[in-house]
Amino acid sequence: DGGITQSPKYLFRKEGQNVTLSCEQNLNHDAMYWYRQDPGQGLRLIYYSQIVNDFQKGDIAEGYSVSREKKESFPLTVTSAQKNPTAFYLCASISHSYNEQFFGPGTRLTVL
Amino acid sequence: DAKTTQPPSMDCAEGRAANLPCNHSTISGNEYVYWYRQIHSQGPQYIIHGLKNNETNEMASLIITEDRKSSTLILPHATLRDTAVYYCIVRSLNYGGSQGNLIFGKGTKLSVKP
Repeated sequence: DGGITQSPKYLFRKEGQNVTLSCEQNLNHDAMYWYRQDPGQGLRLIYYSQIVNDFQKGDIAEGYSVSREKKESFPLTVTSAQKNPTAFYLCASISHSYNEQFFGPGTRLTVL
Repeated sequence: DAKTTQPPSMDCAEGRAANLPCNHSTISGNEYVYWYRQIHSQGPQYIIHGLKNNETNEMASLIITEDRKSSTLILPHATLRDTAVYYCIVRSLNYGGSQGNLIFGKGTKLSVKP
């Protein structure tokens, strides 16, 4: 079955540590996105990539980094520079026909 | 900022129609109206989208006013599993650049009650 996978589902990290969240899609989609969601809030865009080896900052990119070396993969690194990283992180992708955006199941990151 | 306004919460009795309103008074000619929903602690799920005509699929119907400044998502026979946060989003079809990105507001929390 085609879809988007995110791993791990739950992630704990100590303050000051970098951590990388995985996002993989087998939908052959060109564009991929990372969002952050805080309790009771909507989704905020962190980074997006419309093509391999290219990505752009979203609204809240500070403290985050991404790479897009393969079409299928768009990992997000939460760096120690991110002051409040505890949140629910969602990855999404969309086809070139640009209709439905598919979301992964999310990773819940908790900083201890 | 989100370009849409939705009520923060609504209740609906199981088996009845749920009508979720959305105001998008600043929508431009090349922007579609999209609806997504998010069940607790899951990724959002696409429901339906439209430009100016009413649309229907197996999940819902979308009614867009003639001036396109507002729309209503209709779940014809709500079930307990439809309890979720529903997001109304306007979005350009411009694939290049950021105009095509989805901007999520806080949505409407729909509670379907037995």
